[in-house]
Amino acid sequence: GENVEQHPSTLSVQEGDSAVIKCTYSDSASNYFPWYKQELGKRPQLIIDIRSNVGEKKDQRIAVTLNKTAKHFSLHITETQPEDSAVYFCAAVETGGFKTIFGAGTRLFVKA
Amino acid sequence: DAEITQSPRHKITETGRQVTLACHQTWNHNNMFWYRQDLGHGLRLIHYSYGVQDTNKGEVSDGYSVSRSNTEDLPLTLESAASSQTSVYFCASSEERGLSYNEQFFGPGTRLTVL
Repeated sequence: GENVEQHPSTLSVQEGDSAVIKCTYSDSASNYFPWYKQELGKRPQLIIDIRSNVGEKKDQRIAVTLNKTAKHFSLHITETQPEDSAVYFCAAVETGGFKTIFGAGTRLFVKA
Repeated sequence: DAEITQSPRHKITETGRQVTLACHQTWNHNNMFWYRQDLGHGLRLIHYSYGVQDTNKGEVSDGYSVSRSNTEDLPLTLESAASSQTSVYFCASSEERGLSYNEQFFGPGTRLTVL
Protein backbone atom coordinates (compact mmCIF):
# COMPACT_ATOMS: atom_id res chain seq x y z
CA GLY A 1 0.00 0.00 0.00
CA GLU A 2 0.90 3.64 0.03
CA ASN A 3 3.72 4.66 2.30
CA VAL A 4 5.42 7.89 3.35
CA GLU A 5 8.85 7.74 4.97
CA GLN A 6 10.10 10.71 6.97
CA HIS A 7 13.62 11.48 8.22
CA PRO A 8 15.05 12.25 10.64
CA SER A 9 12.80 11.17 13.51
CA THR A 10 14.49 13.70 15.81
CA LEU A 11 16.35 16.87 14.92
CA SER A 12 18.09 19.27 17.27
CA VAL A 13 19.38 22.64 16.06
CA GLN A 14 20.70 25.82 17.56
CA GLU A 15 18.50 28.89 17.41
CA GLY A 16 19.14 30.73 14.15
CA ASP A 17 20.30 27.64 12.27
CA SER A 18 18.35 25.96 9.47
CA ALA A 19 16.42 22.70 9.77
CA VAL A 20 15.61 20.29 6.95
CA ILE A 21 13.15 17.41 7.09
CA LYS A 22 12.89 14.95 4.21
CA CYS A 23 10.08 12.67 3.05
CA THR A 24 9.67 10.08 0.33
CA TYR A 25 6.41 8.63 -0.91
CA SER A 26 5.56 5.45 -2.74
CA ASP A 27 2.32 6.25 -4.63
CA SER A 28 3.29 7.92 -7.90
CA ALA A 29 -0.32 9.08 -8.24
CA SER A 30 -0.02 11.39 -5.21
CA ASN A 31 -0.34 15.01 -6.24
CA TYR A 32 -0.61 17.04 -3.05
CA PHE A 33 1.88 17.26 -0.19
CA PRO A 34 0.95 19.12 3.00
CA TRP A 35 3.10 19.67 6.08
CA TYR A 36 1.56 19.83 9.54
CA LYS A 37 3.03 21.14 12.80
CA GLN A 38 1.93 19.70 16.12
CA GLU A 39 2.94 21.41 19.34
CA LEU A 40 2.99 19.40 22.53
CA GLY A 41 -0.54 18.44 23.59
CA LYS A 42 -2.12 20.28 20.67
CA ARG A 43 -3.77 19.30 17.42
CA PRO A 44 -1.86 19.19 14.09
CA GLN A 45 -2.12 22.36 12.00
CA LEU A 46 -1.21 22.95 8.38
CA ILE A 47 1.86 25.16 7.90
CA ILE A 48 2.58 24.83 4.20
CA ASP A 49 1.60 22.65 1.26
CA ILE A 50 2.68 22.04 -2.33
CA ARG A 51 0.94 20.60 -5.36
CA SER A 52 2.58 18.36 -7.92
CA ASN A 53 2.75 21.01 -10.64
CA VAL A 54 5.06 23.17 -8.51
CA GLY A 55 8.69 22.48 -7.60
CA GLU A 56 9.08 24.88 -4.71
CA LYS A 57 6.96 27.05 -2.46
CA LYS A 58 8.03 29.52 0.18
CA ASP A 59 6.24 31.27 3.03
CA GLN A 60 8.46 33.55 5.11
CA ARG A 61 10.93 31.30 6.97
CA ILE A 62 9.55 28.01 5.70
CA ALA A 63 9.84 26.46 2.26
CA VAL A 64 8.97 23.16 0.69
CA THR A 65 10.58 21.53 -2.35
CA LEU A 66 9.21 18.67 -4.42
CA ASN A 67 10.98 16.27 -6.77
CA LYS A 68 8.26 14.18 -8.44
CA THR A 69 10.72 12.09 -10.42
CA ALA A 70 12.49 10.95 -7.28
CA LYS A 71 9.23 10.98 -5.27
CA HIS A 72 10.61 13.02 -2.44
CA PHE A 73 9.85 16.37 -0.85
CA SER A 74 11.47 18.40 1.89
CA LEU A 75 10.63 21.06 4.46
CA HIS A 76 13.16 23.80 5.07
CA ILE A 77 12.98 26.13 8.08
CA THR A 78 15.46 28.99 8.16
CA GLU A 79 16.45 31.16 11.11
CA THR A 80 14.89 28.74 13.54
CA GLN A 81 13.35 30.03 16.76
CA PRO A 82 12.45 28.24 20.01
CA GLU A 83 8.78 28.43 19.07
CA ASP A 84 9.53 26.26 16.05
CA SER A 85 10.06 23.35 18.46
CA ALA A 86 7.32 20.83 17.69
CA VAL A 87 6.61 17.61 15.80
CA TYR A 88 6.36 18.05 12.04
CA PHE A 89 4.46 15.65 9.80
CA CYS A 90 4.68 15.36 6.05
CA ALA A 91 1.85 13.77 4.09
CA ALA A 92 0.89 12.67 0.60
CA VAL A 93 -2.60 12.74 -0.86
CA GLU A 94 -3.90 10.53 -3.65
CA THR A 95 -4.93 12.07 -6.94
CA GLY A 96 -8.62 12.79 -7.20
CA GLY A 97 -9.30 12.03 -3.59
CA PHE A 98 -8.71 13.17 -0.06
CA LYS A 99 -7.14 10.11 1.54
CA THR A 100 -4.01 11.29 3.29
CA ILE A 101 -1.00 9.18 4.27
CA PHE A 102 1.21 10.75 6.92
CA GLY A 103 4.87 10.24 7.68
CA ALA A 104 5.87 9.13 11.19
CA GLY A 105 6.86 12.65 12.22
CA THR A 106 10.03 14.58 13.11
CA ARG A 107 10.48 16.02 16.56
CA LEU A 108 12.36 19.31 16.18
CA PHE A 109 14.15 20.87 19.13
CA VAL A 110 15.44 24.42 18.76
CA LYS A 111 17.92 25.29 21.48
CA ALA A 112 18.10 28.91 22.60
CA ASP B 1 -17.19 30.53 15.00
CA ALA B 2 -17.20 27.26 13.08
CA GLU B 3 -15.22 24.51 14.73
CA ILE B 4 -14.60 20.80 15.11
CA THR B 5 -15.06 19.17 18.50
CA GLN B 6 -14.46 15.74 19.95
CA SER B 7 -15.91 14.06 23.00
CA PRO B 8 -14.98 12.76 25.39
CA ARG B 9 -11.48 14.26 25.63
CA HIS B 10 -10.32 11.43 27.87
CA LYS B 11 -11.75 7.94 28.23
CA ILE B 12 -10.73 4.89 30.21
CA THR B 13 -12.46 1.64 29.39
CA GLU B 14 -12.02 -2.09 29.83
CA THR B 15 -11.11 -4.73 27.30
CA GLY B 16 -14.14 -6.05 25.44
CA ARG B 17 -16.38 -3.02 25.95
CA GLN B 18 -17.92 -1.08 23.10
CA VAL B 19 -16.76 2.52 22.95
CA THR B 20 -17.96 5.37 20.77
CA LEU B 21 -15.97 8.55 20.20
CA ALA B 22 -17.88 11.55 18.91
CA CYS B 23 -16.76 14.07 16.31
CA HIS B 24 -18.81 17.11 15.37
CA GLN B 25 -17.95 19.90 12.90
CA THR B 26 -19.88 23.05 12.13
CA TRP B 27 -18.11 23.99 8.88
CA ASN B 28 -20.49 21.92 6.75
CA HIS B 29 -17.48 20.06 5.34
CA ASN B 30 -18.20 17.03 3.22
CA ASN B 31 -15.00 15.19 4.09
CA MET B 32 -14.34 13.76 7.54
CA PHE B 33 -11.53 11.54 8.80
CA TRP B 34 -10.51 9.56 11.85
CA TYR B 35 -6.83 9.02 12.72
CA ARG B 36 -5.00 7.40 15.57
CA GLN B 37 -1.69 8.75 16.78
CA ASP B 38 0.90 6.49 18.36
CA LEU B 39 4.52 7.19 19.13
CA GLY B 40 6.70 6.26 16.18
CA HIS B 41 3.76 5.87 13.80
CA GLY B 42 2.55 9.38 13.24
CA LEU B 43 -1.08 9.71 12.21
CA ARG B 44 -2.67 6.61 10.75
CA LEU B 45 -5.97 6.77 8.92
CA ILE B 46 -8.74 4.60 10.38
CA HIS B 47 -11.84 5.53 8.37
CA TYR B 48 -12.95 8.42 6.22
CA SER B 49 -16.14 9.74 4.66
CA TYR B 50 -16.75 11.92 1.62
CA GLY B 51 -20.36 12.65 2.50
CA VAL B 52 -23.58 11.41 4.08
CA GLN B 53 -23.95 7.63 3.85
CA ASP B 54 -20.40 7.31 2.49
CA THR B 55 -17.68 5.56 4.53
CA ASN B 56 -14.32 4.09 3.54
CA LYS B 57 -11.67 2.03 5.28
CA GLY B 58 -8.25 3.47 5.94
CA GLU B 59 -4.90 1.89 6.80
CA VAL B 60 -5.89 0.53 10.22
CA SER B 61 -9.64 -0.05 10.14
CA ASP B 62 -9.82 -3.48 11.82
CA GLY B 63 -11.83 -3.29 15.04
CA TYR B 64 -13.33 0.12 14.19
CA SER B 65 -16.49 1.26 12.45
CA VAL B 66 -18.04 4.60 11.48
CA SER B 67 -21.38 5.79 10.18
CA ARG B 68 -22.32 9.10 8.56
CA SER B 69 -25.97 9.95 8.94
CA ASN B 70 -25.54 13.72 8.59
CA THR B 71 -22.90 16.20 7.43
CA GLU B 72 -21.82 17.34 10.90
CA ASP B 73 -21.03 14.07 12.68
CA LEU B 74 -18.79 11.06 12.19
CA PRO B 75 -18.79 8.88 15.32
CA LEU B 76 -16.08 6.23 15.66
CA THR B 77 -17.03 2.95 17.34
CA LEU B 78 -14.68 0.38 18.79
CA GLU B 79 -16.80 -2.76 18.71
CA SER B 80 -14.81 -4.65 21.37
CA ALA B 81 -12.02 -2.54 22.79
CA ALA B 82 -8.53 -4.07 22.94
CA SER B 83 -5.41 -2.84 24.74
CA SER B 84 -3.78 -2.31 21.32
CA GLN B 85 -6.37 0.41 20.70
CA THR B 86 -5.00 2.57 23.51
CA SER B 87 -4.08 5.71 21.61
CA VAL B 88 -4.87 9.34 20.92
CA TYR B 89 -7.64 9.69 18.35
CA PHE B 90 -8.01 12.72 16.10
CA CYS B 91 -10.96 13.59 13.96
CA ALA B 92 -10.50 15.95 11.00
CA SER B 93 -12.58 17.52 8.27
CA SER B 94 -11.95 19.25 4.96
CA GLU B 95 -13.98 21.07 2.39
CA GLU B 96 -14.67 19.49 -0.96
CA ARG B 97 -13.88 21.67 -3.92
CA GLY B 98 -14.03 19.56 -7.04
CA LEU B 99 -11.07 17.20 -7.08
CA SER B 100 -8.69 19.56 -5.35
CA TYR B 101 -7.43 18.56 -1.97
CA ASN B 102 -7.82 21.09 0.77
CA GLU B 103 -6.48 21.63 4.25
CA GLN B 104 -7.68 19.25 6.94
CA PHE B 105 -8.79 20.82 10.20
CA PHE B 106 -8.21 18.66 13.23
CA GLY B 107 -10.22 18.29 16.39
CA PRO B 108 -8.55 18.53 19.83
CA GLY B 109 -8.15 14.75 20.15
CA THR B 110 -9.44 12.03 22.47
CA ARG B 111 -7.05 10.11 24.67
CA LEU B 112 -8.38 6.55 25.01
CA THR B 113 -6.96 4.03 27.47
CA VAL B 114 -8.08 0.40 27.31
CA LEU B 115 -7.25 -1.56 30.45
